[in-house]
Amino acid sequence: DVKVTQSSRYLVKRTGEKVFLECVQDMDHENMFWYRQDPGLGLRLIYFSYDVKMKEKGDIPEGYSVSREKKERFSLILESASTNQTSMYLCASSFNFRGEQFFGPGTRLTVL
Amino acid sequence: GIQVEQSPPDLILQEGANSTLRCNFSDSVNNLQWFHQNPWGQLINLFYIPSGTKQNGRLSATTVATERYSLLYISSSQTTDSGVYFCAVEKLTFGTGTRLTIIP
Repeated sequence: DVKVTQSSRYLVKRTGEKVFLECVQDMDHENMFWYRQDPGLGLRLIYFSYDVKMKEKGDIPEGYSVSREKKERFSLILESASTNQTSMYLCASSFNFRGEQFFGPGTRLTVL
Repeated sequence: GIQVEQSPPDLILQEGANSTLRCNFSDSVNNLQWFHQNPWGQLINLFYIPSGTKQNGRLSATTVATERYSLLYISSSQTTDSGVYFCAVEKLTFGTGTRLTIIP
């Protein structure tokens, strides 16, 4: 079975802190994705990566950056966390770019 | 960008009932997936179905790409089917989901 893991289930940070969210997949997938999920807005794509060191902006990249130094790991970085970044963050991976996506359990981030 | 609409937004059913969830999308797609998000937040991929019909146990899905909609059928509902069902297209744009509650 595909396994996608995320570094934390719950995280509390202060405004202005630098925040790292880590995602690891064990199925040698080329593509990895970061989404955020908010009530009433559903899931929205922040960034995705189709190869090591390659990244593309999604629908809402502002305030975020990403890093993919190894194929299995995709990191989401909040350079200076703000309260409007309080959300559930979900990582996913897929073999083909438009192929079946597998999701991690999510990280619920609260920025105070 | 492409728009994805799901209906109904909420559905409450007795255990054993059947249900049909609908997903409409505004443009042609090469990728359509159905997901179930359980009460703990985990998203599970149910179907990858850009066209045609697929079945997996009590669940089945049909996508009519030329008419830009997809249907998810759940038969003989169980309480474990409760949660939110999402349709997503392309890379991925998600609908806002259908919240299904199955009452014992």
